[in-house]
Amino acid sequence: GAGVSQTPSNKVTEKGKYVELRCDPISGHTALYWYRQSLGQGPEFLIYFQGTGAADDSGLPNDRFFAVRPEGSVSTLKIQRTERGDSAVYLCASSPWAGKGYNEQFFGPGTRLTVL
Amino acid sequence: AQTVTQSQPEMSVQEAETVTLSCTYDTSESDYYLFWYKQPPSRQMILVIRQEAYKQQNATENRFSVNFQKAAKSFSLKISDSQLGDAAMYFCAYRSVSGGSNYKLTFGKGTLLTVNP
Repeated sequence: GAGVSQTPSNKVTEKGKYVELRCDPISGHTALYWYRQSLGQGPEFLIYFQGTGAADDSGLPNDRFFAVRPEGSVSTLKIQRTERGDSAVYLCASSPWAGKGYNEQFFGPGTRLTVL
Repeated sequence: AQTVTQSQPEMSVQEAETVTLSCTYDTSESDYYLFWYKQPPSRQMILVIRQEAYKQQNATENRFSVNFQKAAKSFSLKISDSQLGDAAMYFCAYRSVSGGSNYKLTFGKGTLLTVNP
């Protein structure tokens, strides 16, 4: 079956611009996660959705970052007034559920964002 | 907060040989999951192997096995009979079993594995 997909694969933008990154999770997965992977680092947690609601957005670095998942499926990560420090690979993952008990997070191929 | 440390930024191995990647972690929890993920140039994170902390037996998946030392908080990955396709970035990761953040993965900085023909 189809895995997690992310679009665009690469995004180049200029400092100060607004960008949207899209994630299509595996069908039926209720939990969705965004991670950010800066150069030379491991992924860092940004936000977790259970259904339509953001259950934990504690990893978002500041109020320029916002994410939505209006119908409990596709999610969009939105970054306003981009800065050069926002350049990174943004990874999305989904799982059948979240919470107690093991379930695997399946990752997408990521979006590489470059802010010039 | 939990931390994961991978002290080997790069490792190399000859094809068909064995290599061990190191990982240490810090936690005050008694039950948790540990993982090794592989990230090839395609960027997609692929789960290689997982270990539940309550299990004393080390996990194995074909050519991949772990050495889990709970008291030492050490979790190394052994790759046997290395293949060219094993070349990738490898990340060690931690996840709580219970509590308010039992969905978050905490990753190390990664080890870049090169496989020489």
